[in-house]
Amino acid sequence: GEDVEQSLFLSVREGDSSVINCTYTDSSSTYLYWYKQEPGAGLQLLTYIFSNMDMKQDQRLTVLLNKKDKHLSLRIADTQTGDSAIYFCAETQGINAGNMLTFGGGTRLMVKP
Amino acid sequence: NAGVTQTPKFRVLKTGQSMTLLCAQDMNHEYMYWYRQDPGMGLRLIHYSVGEGTTAKGEVPDGYNVSRLKKQNFLLGLESAAPSQTSVYFCASRSGLAVTDTQYFGPGTRLTVL
Repeated sequence: GEDVEQSLFLSVREGDSSVINCTYTDSSSTYLYWYKQEPGAGLQLLTYIFSNMDMKQDQRLTVLLNKKDKHLSLRIADTQTGDSAIYFCAETQGINAGNMLTFGGGTRLMVKP
Repeated sequence: NAGVTQTPKFRVLKTGQSMTLLCAQDMNHEYMYWYRQDPGMGLRLIHYSVGEGTTAKGEVPDGYNVSRLKKQNFLLGLESAAPSQTSVYFCASRSGLAVTDTQYFGPGTRLTVL
């Protein structure tokens, strides 16, 4: 079955870059996602990347995908205190599998002023 | 447009009690999902629905039942609560299965079973 792994915790200083990493085991993953969960709230989609891409940039967010190593990362430039949250990566095998999402355990990002 | 709402926000149950969690969405979405979130683990799918009157089992369905009598509502029931069901429960909905059809999540229900 699918397995998605993330480190539990990351601490950075305000203004630095944050890099959150994720590994997955299923080579048939077609789309990979990053979600953000703020305290007391549900998950909010940040960005996604198709498996035939290796990079996607969206303002302060850069997603890198190494399909050979099954490694996904989310880089947040100029990290702000408002970026403190739990970040989940998720994968899906696409519409033929009902686009069911498999989530990692989440990485708690703490941004120190 | 309230999005996805969940009732209640918090609940404490004793072992063996029953309860129903309500999820409502006002976006006319076909697909609805119930997840549970446990510390250090990602969200795990309990049950889902692909339309009014339909339900299907997810990854961890045991001990739960669901109903989708109206398109906008998806109910999650615990018939006899157990301490292992202590968790945060999230409901989500989406309009379709394309990758661009975002899953919208509710704020969660924190359930403690003593």
